[in-house]
Amino acid sequence: SAVISQKPSRDICQRGTSLTIQCQVDSQVTMMFWYRQQPGQSLTLIATANQGSEATYESGFVIDKFPISRPNLTFSTLTVSNMSPEDSSIYLCSVDRQETDTRYFGPGTRLTVL
Amino acid sequence: QKEVEQNSGPLSVPEGAIASLNCTYSDRGSQSFFWYRQYSGKSPELIMSIYSNGDKEDGRFTAQLNKASQYVSLLIRDSQPSDSATYLCAVNSAGNQFYFGTGTSLTVIP
Repeated sequence: SAVISQKPSRDICQRGTSLTIQCQVDSQVTMMFWYRQQPGQSLTLIATANQGSEATYESGFVIDKFPISRPNLTFSTLTVSNMSPEDSSIYLCSVDRQETDTRYFGPGTRLTVL
Repeated sequence: QKEVEQNSGPLSVPEGAIASLNCTYSDRGSQSFFWYRQYSGKSPELIMSIYSNGDKEDGRFTAQLNKASQYVSLLIRDSQPSDSATYLCAVNSAGNQFYFGTGTSLTVIP
């Protein structure tokens, strides 16, 4: 398995502000993934973060709203910008273990926007 | 058609019974199949992976794969109240894309 940590674990934010979520992995990985899970819904992939290149965003997600950094092979950040109540979700960092072709998730960041 | 489909439930079973969770997928070239358990307010936790047709057993859990029918299932024997959670089916497609189902909510009644 993979040991993945995220900070913060939860936050309550005001409309119009931004929040940066950090993700740390216990070993080097090529790709890191950011997911969103809205209340009662399944997982939606926001973007894939590769070290040394721009993140690849899924349809419906844009860099201005969800800028991502990937400064090295064990760390990434996701910023949720200019937040609105519709951004209230759990945000999950995820990595693949290539040797087992398996995807593991961090503990998540529960975001509430007022 | 969604890539991965699950019955959303809710599914209720009495304690000690067998819970059966089902999943179908659309990409015939998919090679890897997974079941995750997600407790309310927590992140998904991998509980089973299966790559070949047939059954794979791990404790009280059995994953079943039928590639011809594009069907994956998870059986939980001797269900316990602690098994109450949402179970997500996931498929790694031929294009190395991970697809998740919407999840099946399971309640085990003491």
